Amino acid sequence: DQQVKQNSPSLSVQEGRISILNCDYTNSMFDYFLWYKKYPAEGPTFLISISSIKDKNEDGRFTVFLNKSAKHLSLHIVPSQPGDSAVYFCAAILLGGSNYKLTFGKGTLLTVNP
Amino acid sequence: GAGVSQSPRYKVAKRGQDVALRCDPISGHVSLFWYQQALGQGPEFLTYFQNEAQLDKSGLPSDRFFAERPEGSVSTLKIQRTQQEDSAVYLCASSLDSMNTEAFFGQGTRLTVV
Repeated sequence: DQQVKQNSPSLSVQEGRISILNCDYTNSMFDYFLWYKKYPAEGPTFLISISSIKDKNEDGRFTVFLNKSAKHLSLHIVPSQPGDSAVYFCAAILLGGSNYKLTFGKGTLLTVNP
Repeated sequence: GAGVSQSPRYKVAKRGQDVALRCDPISGHVSLFWYQQALGQGPEFLTYFQNEAQLDKSGLPSDRFFAERPEGSVSTLKIQRTQQEDSAVYLCASSLDSMNTEAFFGQGTRLTVV
């Protein structure tokens, strides 16, 4: 039973355009969400996070939006660059309970074409 | 080094063989995690240490899997009598404290059981 779902296995975007990666979750108790980026043969790298008390967090070209009522979050990358091509994982944490355990989605492979 | 280091990077084991995977976390990081990532999936939690104490091993798939962190620094994940279904990338992550809101991952060990 997947508690964090990334329903799009892949996404292809033109350089300079916006990339939107989506993530849904089923456990309403999750209260902290993270996005990780993973290049081939490397470990995941932390990208950006958001607390459930917020609906938006921005860091440079990266913005994460959280819609708690819909149990949905999205990562926006604008403008997209070829170096952004990687697998993006959405992850969630229960801060009050098992605050040490990241629950990951299956990932979305983003390809940014020059 | 500055990051989380895992060794070996690649391991091929014959079915039934025992393997040991090593993780060197970032110096001073209290928390250490092991995750298993099967092909096409997101990382899945295996076990968690806070210093030398293994606080959660609920994700270990069977009693063939064993992890230790005897001095609160380096950790070893041991798999006894490996099976083909154990083939995966094993990721280690560490974070400064128990609030795992920014865990740093190693490059992983790719285990192939033949």
